[in-house]
Amino acid sequence: NAGVTQTPKFQVLKTGQSMTLQCAQDMNHEYMSWYRQDPGMGLRLIHYSVGAGITDQGEVPNGYNVSRSTTEDFPLRLLSAAPSQTSVYFCASSSRDRGGYTFGSGTRLTVV
Amino acid sequence: AQKVTQAQTEISVVEKEDVTLDCVYETRDTTYYLFWYKQPPSGELVFLIRRNSFDEQNEISGRYSWNFQKSTSSFNFTITASQVVDSAVYFCALSEDDNQGGKLIFGQGTELSVKP
Repeated sequence: NAGVTQTPKFQVLKTGQSMTLQCAQDMNHEYMSWYRQDPGMGLRLIHYSVGAGITDQGEVPNGYNVSRSTTEDFPLRLLSAAPSQTSVYFCASSSRDRGGYTFGSGTRLTVV
Repeated sequence: AQKVTQAQTEISVVEKEDVTLDCVYETRDTTYYLFWYKQPPSGELVFLIRRNSFDEQNEISGRYSWNFQKSTSSFNFTITASQVVDSAVYFCALSEDDNQGGKLIFGQGTELSVKP
């Protein structure tokens, strides 16, 4: 079982560039979500989804887009990267019974 | 609105000491889930425990124990006889039982340092 797979693990972007962080899970989980982790601020929710075709904003959605066309995939798009988006990004998934959210290994993004 | 507070930013103990990490939560829902995660220096997030709001029994798993008290909205985590390998950042988190199931709200984390 691969669990939650995030790609890439590291990325450097120039200000203004766009990119997509990939997240895929093979556990048939209904719930998926994206977080960013910044020093001293814990993990903050960016966007989340309760199923294919359904997404909603979290605490810090500005500058990010998501879509969920399949149960397995939940990509996060940065529209025009800014230095403030330098962070570590985590994707997570959970079954409906909330048995435990499984996290990907993270993507370390640097915007210069 | 939901919120999780971990008031202890950093804790430093000497090996074999017991240590308790505090977690206080806020929610208007009667059904909710509480979690603890460990983030070692390698950076991954490791699931430790889940509690739902209807189960107030304390839980023990080896050297780890959790105390859930709805009356004080707290879900504290105790490590008994701490070891150097327990050094990590620990996060408490909350998920409410509504259509926002993908929404996990984290506290700011407590960095635990266990010195030999």
